[in-house]
Amino acid sequence: NAGVTQTPKFQVLKTGQSMTLQCAQDMNHNSMYWYRQDPGMGLRLIYYSASEGTTDKGEVPNGYNVSRLNKREFSLRLESAAPSQTSVYFCAFSMGLAGHTDTQYFGPGTRLTVL
Amino acid sequence: SQQGEEDPQALSIQEGENATMNCSYKTSINNLQWYRQNSGRGLVHLILIRSNEREKHSGRLRVTLDTSKKSSSLLITASRAADTASYFCATGQGAQKLVFGQGTRLTINP
Repeated sequence: NAGVTQTPKFQVLKTGQSMTLQCAQDMNHNSMYWYRQDPGMGLRLIYYSASEGTTDKGEVPNGYNVSRLNKREFSLRLESAAPSQTSVYFCAFSMGLAGHTDTQYFGPGTRLTVL
Repeated sequence: SQQGEEDPQALSIQEGENATMNCSYKTSINNLQWYRQNSGRGLVHLILIRSNEREKHSGRLRVTLDTSKKSSSLLITASRAADTASYFCATGQGAQKLVFGQGTRLTINP
């Protein structure tokens, strides 16, 4: 999983608890992404950050917030976890050239279970 | 809703055979990408084909793109046990984000 660190690798929460998933890339690229993957499904985009200082909603943003802390780090926060947020969460990054949809590089994922 | 639809959802073949997976999409694109995901791991980029390209090769992989039919295919030749994985197509529409399909689960039997 080239250049992407995700923490934690596993997490179990109770309904209503909050947590922050951390992601850092070491390639100094512009764009970063958070996806969720449910069993037997493809990836669905939660939020993305096309460049430092900007964030935008993806397909499934409800129940999540994000922070682009700097060019390297992009965190995902669950303010009040719900069982429907049980999933595997992937962070990714890309060069982020304007007008292009670049190759994305993925982290190893965080497996989250909400009881 | 997801842009790409892969077909078949699951494919099981013998080692050495060729594997073909198809992807259909709905809107115009500027490129289409294929990714592989081994069980429990993150996605790994395989190949990118631009909307003005019709065919692209990378090692044992061959990708075709037919923009008139809004479809793409991924061919893996001379399959190996290590090719066992899920394969996803993803479409790019000019912004920085990709839209992924639901994937094809490929099993290579020894």
